[in-house]
Order: sequence, then C-alpha cells, then structure tokens
Amino acid sequence: QITLKESGPTLVKPTQTLTLTCTFSGFSLSTSGVSVGWIRQPPGKALEWLALVYWDDDKRYSPSLKSRLTITKDTSKNQVVLTMTKMDPVDTATYYCAHRHYDILTGSVYFDYWGQGTLVTVSS
Amino acid sequence: DIQLTQSPSFLSASVGDRVTITCRASQGISSYLAWFQQKPGKAPKLLIYAASTLQSGVPSRFSGSGSGTEFTLTISSLQPEDFATYYCQQLNSYPLTFGGGTKVEIK
Repeated sequence: QITLKESGPTLVKPTQTLTLTCTFSGFSLSTSGVSVGWIRQPPGKALEWLALVYWDDDKRYSPSLKSRLTITKDTSKNQVVLTMTKMDPVDTATYYCAHRHYDILTGSVYFDYWGQGTLVTVSS
Repeated sequence: DIQLTQSPSFLSASVGDRVTITCRASQGISSYLAWFQQKPGKAPKLLIYAASTLQSGVPSRFSGSGSGTEFTLTISSLQPEDFATYYCQQLNSYPLTFGGGTKVEIK
C-alpha cells in the first residue's frame, strides 16, 4: 500500500526559506519509472504543479518558480524534500506530494497517490 | 505552457442528473489527461487517467472521453457524494498544468 505524508513548518515569515519533507512508503524511488512530485493549492484556488524528481535523479520544475525551488530525494530514507526560497504571503497554500505512476506497457502517466497535504502560511 | 480551460467553472445540479464537464487544452496533448475529484479539506482523488481509463475503485458512473485538445468528464447519475470540485490535469509535457476547476453544487 502506497502512502505519502508531508511535514514541515506551518508558519514561515516573508523572505524565509521553506523546507518540506515528503515521507513515503509502499514504493522505492530507486525503481525505474518511479517519480514523486509536489503540487500546491492556495486557499480557495486551483492546483498548481511545482516540481518532480525521477528515480534516476532527473528533475523538473515549474518555470515560473524554478529559480526558487529545489527538489531532492533520499532513497535510503524514502523521502523527497522541497525547498522554496524567498517565501511571500502569496505562497500561502496547502502543499501536497504525490506519487506519479508510469505504466511501461501503455505509456500512461498519472498521479495516483497523494499525501494529506500541509498548510503553510506565510506571514510576519 | 499548455493551458487547460475547464467549463463550466460552477455547476448546480440535482441528484440523478447527468453532468458533463469540459476541459480544453491550448495545444494537443494526445490522451495524457487525468481527472480528479476534490472535497473540502481533502487531497485530490484520481478518477480518470489516459483521458478515458477509470481508476480502480472509482464508480462506473464516472467516465472520460476525448483526445487532442478537447476532453469531457461525465457523471451519468449524480450522487450526493459527488458534490465536489473537479480538476483536469495534462501530463503530456512540462510544466504539468491543471485546469481551473469545476465546482459541482447541489441544486
């Protein structure tokens, strides 16, 4: 059974750096085809994809946030870490991590398992 | 970036109604489209992937269709537990993008 859980601060001050950890179980990030992504959702607004890391350490970022984001994986700890620099009140959101499934037979890709999300508020 | 436009953004319907939500992509995405259901305070739940494949455990009243730039999510007979917000997502190319959402409320 695949599970993911986000952890990190609930409140950060403007200009600070946010560090969020996604701890997962039920799969390995060293397995070919596996990847984990981060998605956020400001209160009352739509979902926004942020970043993704592949089993081979390839990484993808949202172009609009690329300069502020870093995604890393620790395969031995079953964790993925997202850092976001220069936090601003507009970054207030619920942050989710999710498992991206890749079907080698059909080529289908989709986010099938999500963490419960963690609300991060940016305020002085 | 590929923009996804969902319509309508808000929908009022009754239990038993047939509901259709549209997602239009700004450029072709083949069938790399997923649909999610989200209830307040909860993480999104995958309903459909590859435009028309029902995720395991999802009721058969949900169906998806389309390819290229136009896609639809249909709920054949709306149930009380289906009142939620629905999002489409394209996975054809980076950056991955979501539609703006469709909120389905009780009439």
